[in-house]
Amino acid sequence: DAGVIQSPRHEVTEMGQEVTLRCKPISGHDYLFWYRQTMMRGLELLIYFNNNVPIDDSGMPEDRFSAKMPNASFSTLKIQPSEPRDSAVYFCASSLARFGGDTEAFFGQGTRLTVV
Amino acid sequence: DAKTTQPPSMDCAEGRAANLPCNHSTISGNEYVYWYRQIHSQGPQYIIHGLKNNETNEMASLIITEDRKSSTLILPHATLRDTAVYYCIVRVEALIFGTGTRLQVFP
Repeated sequence: DAGVIQSPRHEVTEMGQEVTLRCKPISGHDYLFWYRQTMMRGLELLIYFNNNVPIDDSGMPEDRFSAKMPNASFSTLKIQPSEPRDSAVYFCASSLARFGGDTEAFFGQGTRLTVV
Repeated sequence: DAKTTQPPSMDCAEGRAANLPCNHSTISGNEYVYWYRQIHSQGPQYIIHGLKNNETNEMASLIITEDRKSSTLILPHATLRDTAVYYCIVRVEALIFGTGTRLQVFP
């Protein structure tokens, strides 16, 4: 398996534009996680899905952020409208579902978003 | 909120063992201890995890105290490529990252 694949790797956009980040999890994994990393706030969990259903979106900062998982092999994180403070590295991760958390999560290489 | 406490930084000489401590005094009986590291701005990399027994794999060893309130990650022979931020995480479902320990391996 090629691992968790994120696209694009880099995105530069103007304030007010819509931005869509994409993630393909590892085949067969049941959990998918979206994280954001900044110097100020570190690695923050934004939202995670189990079997394509959002379980916890309490980390989503504002209504401008939305995430979907239309099927087991694809997820998107959308920001509309984007603002300069959304500039960060966004990571996607996936893992198998097992009782008690006895399974590692694998991370993608991230999307570096710059909003100017 | 992160449920672990780690020193912000540590140094280690190349070839020596690096011992990274972590306190997780509020850990519950069904929560696993996970260790990840992040090299520069790459995606976090899984290292090892455990519940109550000590664990060892090709990368590291994990020592968990009997009361499970703390653990130590051991890199037996640190190399320059082990320079990274190391995160100790207590997990039920999602991984919640704290600030980690910045390990600097020097020649």
